[in-house]
Amino acid sequence: KQEVTQIPAALSVPEGENLVLNCSFTDSAIYNLQWFRQDPGKGLTSLLLIQSSQREQTSGRLNASLDKSSGRSTLYIAASQPGDSATYLCAVRTAAAGNKLTFGGGTRVLVKP
Amino acid sequence: DTGVSQDPRHKITKRGQNVTFRCDPISEHNRLYWYRQTLGQGPEFLTYFQNEAQLEKSRLLSDRFSAERPKGSFSTLEIQRTEQGDSAMYLCASSPDGGNQPQHFGDGTRLSIL
Repeated sequence: KQEVTQIPAALSVPEGENLVLNCSFTDSAIYNLQWFRQDPGKGLTSLLLIQSSQREQTSGRLNASLDKSSGRSTLYIAASQPGDSATYLCAVRTAAAGNKLTFGGGTRVLVKP
Repeated sequence: DTGVSQDPRHKITKRGQNVTFRCDPISEHNRLYWYRQTLGQGPEFLTYFQNEAQLEKSRLLSDRFSAERPKGSFSTLEIQRTEQGDSAMYLCASSPDGGNQPQHFGDGTRLSIL
């Protein structure tokens, strides 16, 4: 059974510092990994999707890497801003689990001005 | 592309009542998913539709829960005889066909059981 872990559960950084968010998964037979942002009381906004054959994806200040063999993904957010404060979730689609996504518990980020 | 729409945004009800939520996926997305999220946790998968066919169901989906997608467009999720433990955010997502398409989520329906 796929298990996804995000450590730390919460993170506080001063504005301008780079953010590094970690995601680990136990079953490396994945189709893809997706990073989401969630603001309080809101739904999920898709940030990046990395296919299993890719090593990284970039969008603006966001860069996500994937190391399938070690079961890890990292989301980098450059030059953080107070507007980046949110919960960040990673989710994997696993070959053995059909079409569903398995989520980590999220990392709650606070960027202080 | 108007995004995934869910209604209502918030539902408050007494224990034992029945509730129904609606999800309108992004048009032309054949795949529709329901997830449940409790406070401080990541979402958990409930069920998945390919067009009107319900193809996957989680063990979390007890016999008090039923989901439909009658014409392959919008979907409803009904909870009968609600319990305190049903309090959560219910999220709907949709995606196009294809194994590696991203899932797009709505803003969810927050259910509060008194």
